[in-house]
Amino acid sequence: DVKVTQSSRYLVKRTGEKVFLECVQDMDHENMFWYRQDPGLGLRLIYFSYDVKMKEKGDIPEGYSVSREKKERFSLILESASTNQTSMYLCASFFSGRIHGELFFGEGSRLTVL
Amino acid sequence: GDSVTQMEGPVTLSEEAFLTINCTYTATGYPSLFWYVQYPGEGLQLLLKATKADDKGSNKGFEATYRKETTSFHLEKGSVQVSDSAVYFCALRPSNTGNQFYFGTGTSLTVIP
Repeated sequence: DVKVTQSSRYLVKRTGEKVFLECVQDMDHENMFWYRQDPGLGLRLIYFSYDVKMKEKGDIPEGYSVSREKKERFSLILESASTNQTSMYLCASFFSGRIHGELFFGEGSRLTVL
Repeated sequence: GDSVTQMEGPVTLSEEAFLTINCTYTATGYPSLFWYVQYPGEGLQLLLKATKADDKGSNKGFEATYRKETTSFHLEKGSVQVSDSAVYFCALRPSNTGNQFYFGTGTSLTVIP
């Protein structure tokens, strides 16, 4: 089974801190995604990556950056956390070689910025 | 552009009641369609999927049929249980792009004993 692991389930940070959210997948998927989930807004795509060192902006990239130095790892970075970035962050991956393949999600990282 | 619209919640049902969560989509061609479930405090898990018109996806007593003529993929279950309490997301993957998925806003279901 595919496993997508997010390093931290719960984080509490202060305004202005730099925050790293790490995600690792173990099935050699080339595509990886970071979503943000907020009540009433569903899932919103922050960034995605379709290969090592490649990244594409999603719908809400402002205030975030990403890093993909290895195929299995995709990191989300908040350079200077703000209270409006308090949210649930979901990492996902999939293999585009499967025509009808689905997204596999991690368990989520709930970030609170004080 | 491609999009998914699903019924707003929250939905509250008694145990053993019938469940329908409506989902309609906008997409060109023949997208793949998915239902994901998110249990409290967890990430999303694939519940079922359908990849072509008239396909029926099923899992854990849930079913959804890919209706091209009505661009719908409604989720149904004949008899819900308390353990089905979760948030349900409808999603599509367009047929003409390799790496994008589009999600509905989610429908929260609470089943009471």
